[in-house]
Amino acid sequence: GQQVMQIPQYQHVQEGEDFTTYCNSSTTLSNIQWYKQRPGGHPVFLIQLVKSGEVKKQKRLTFQFGEAKKNSSLHITATQTTDVGTYFCAVDSNYQLIWGAGTKLIIKP
Amino acid sequence: GAGVSQSPRYKVTKRGQDVALRCDPISGHVSLYWYRQALGQGPEFLTYFNYEAQQDKSGLPNDRFSAERPEGSISTLTIQRTEQRDSAMYRCASSWSGGTQYFGPGTRLLVL
Repeated sequence: GQQVMQIPQYQHVQEGEDFTTYCNSSTTLSNIQWYKQRPGGHPVFLIQLVKSGEVKKQKRLTFQFGEAKKNSSLHITATQTTDVGTYFCAVDSNYQLIWGAGTKLIIKP
Repeated sequence: GAGVSQSPRYKVTKRGQDVALRCDPISGHVSLYWYRQALGQGPEFLTYFNYEAQQDKSGLPNDRFSAERPEGSISTLTIQRTEQRDSAMYRCASSWSGGTQYFGPGTRLLVL
């Protein structure tokens, strides 16, 4: 079945530093979704990318979909404490969502 | 309602007991999904419904797990003869016919 690899598993940053998480697939994806899960919370939808090479921005968050539609990234500029949580990519496959393992963003004290 | 609700939020049960977890989706949402999420992991698909029809139950771990959505709205996930390995967060999500999924707060199940 379809799998999505997400790296890194954790990223420790100082507040104000940037953060990036990557998702990769061996097969071409129809779309990719990104979710954020705060500690103790539930996954919350952030965005969906559909087109090859698509780039979308939400304030300090930049989402990219690769030209071959096999990879995607989420980049956060100048992290803030409110960004803490786990970021998941997920791929829509026959109405199932196939989830990456998530990247946990940790802000160093 | 304003969002997806799940009950109970926490359930502690003894091994061998049956449990029923309830999900109330966003009003009007056609699709309803059940996931299980272990600590530090992404959600693991269990099953999903379009209206009252169970479209895919390939993620249910074994025949102790079942789900229903008899009137196309509220859904119940039932685990019979619970085992300690069933302990996890069980999440429900709903969407408008396969679109963006909106998650409920989850039910944390602990089997002693």
